Amino acid sequence: GIQVEQSPPDLILQEGANSTLRCNFSDSVNNLQWFHQNPWGQLINLFYIPSGTKQNGRLSATTVATERYSLLYISSSQTTDSGVYFCAVNNRGSTLGRLYFGRGTQLTVWP
Amino acid sequence: SAVISQKPSRDICQRGTSLTIQCQVDSQVTMMFWYRQQPGQSLTLIATANQGSEATYESGFVIDKFPISRPNLTFSTLTVSNMSPEDSSIYLCSVEPRTGGTEAFFGQGTRLTVV
Repeated sequence: GIQVEQSPPDLILQEGANSTLRCNFSDSVNNLQWFHQNPWGQLINLFYIPSGTKQNGRLSATTVATERYSLLYISSSQTTDSGVYFCAVNNRGSTLGRLYFGRGTQLTVWP
Repeated sequence: SAVISQKPSRDICQRGTSLTIQCQVDSQVTMMFWYRQQPGQSLTLIATANQGSEATYESGFVIDKFPISRPNLTFSTLTVSNMSPEDSSIYLCSVEPRTGGTEAFFGQGTRLTVV
């Protein structure tokens, strides 16, 4: 299957700081999603972004499909942003809807 | 989008017993997926559940251990059988509301602890 690599694995910030999370993938994709996993284990959909740029409040994401990477930007971070951020993809030839996940970035925001 | 109700949200079970997890979707979907997330790890696909046919299991997962039912287009169950402490994980169901590479949605997960 497709390989998904996320960096950094861990990130510690002070409240108000900005951060960039990266996701590299090894094949062409027809789906790329960013998720935030809260402390209760629930996956929250952040972005569906197989290509292009999207923004939602303090969060934005960019996927450059031709270069096989995606970036998630978090601005003016808050303690509630803490948790694990996952990038997940579906590549051409895989069952539609089936996602391959990266190992995630553990984000900790201190007050 | 899709609203997915997953039950139970958490459970503590004795080793050797079985637990059935339910996943209910508010709309008809073709594919439903079951994932496992072991402590501190990423999500791994267990199987794909199609309505009207046997589930398709990923390498390392077998039907005897993780039997799956898919009686209709809005419901599926995953059973974790003959549990051991190594089965302690979060189990999540997922759907893609429409075919064509669109957005996938997840249930809130079932946090299972086996003692």
